[in-house]
Amino acid sequence: DAGVIQSPRHEVTEMGQEVTLRCKPISGHNSLFWYRQTMMRGLELLIYFNNNVPIDDSGMPEDRFSAKMPNASFSTLKIQPSEPRDSAVYFCASSFGWQGVNGYTFGSGTRLTVV
Amino acid sequence: DAKTTQPNSMESNEEEPVHLPCNHSTISGTDYIHWYRQLPSQGPEYVIHGLTSNVNNRMASLAIAEDRKSSTLILHRATLRDAAVYYCILSSYNAGNNRKLIWGLGTSLAVNP
Repeated sequence: DAGVIQSPRHEVTEMGQEVTLRCKPISGHNSLFWYRQTMMRGLELLIYFNNNVPIDDSGMPEDRFSAKMPNASFSTLKIQPSEPRDSAVYFCASSFGWQGVNGYTFGSGTRLTVV
Repeated sequence: DAKTTQPNSMESNEEEPVHLPCNHSTISGTDYIHWYRQLPSQGPEYVIHGLTSNVNNRMASLAIAEDRKSSTLILHRATLRDAAVYYCILSSYNAGNNRKLIWGLGTSLAVNP
């Protein structure tokens, strides 16, 4: 298995532009998680899906952020409009079972820089 | 949410055992204890987890105190590739009865050759 695949690896964009981050979870995993990591705040859970349905989006910072999971093998995290404070590494993770008790598998992340 | 406390950094020598401590004095009976590690420029990697009993796997051992208020991750023989940030995390139920991992800032482990 190729693991959790995220794209792009790096994204540099100008303030105000729309940014779309993509994630392909591990085949057979039915839960997907989006995290954001910064030096100041560490890892923060933004949203997670179980069987393609959003379960908890309380970590989404504001309405500029949205996430979708149209099918079991694909998810997107969109920021529109982007702001410099959105600069961070965004991780996608998947697991079998949304409780995550048996461990999450993380992707390599997307490093977003908003200038 | 129950939280964990870890030292900011630790240092070890190659091929020696490493004991990474974690305090979680507010742990509840249903909280699992998880350990992940994050190598430079990579996503976090699952290491081990447990509830009450000590656990062993190919990567490490997890020793859980009898009162569950602390735990220790044990790397039996550190290698240079074990240099990473190690996170001790509790998976707790939130107000919506959903289980979430509550991440701290972890322990940065340096391994000397």
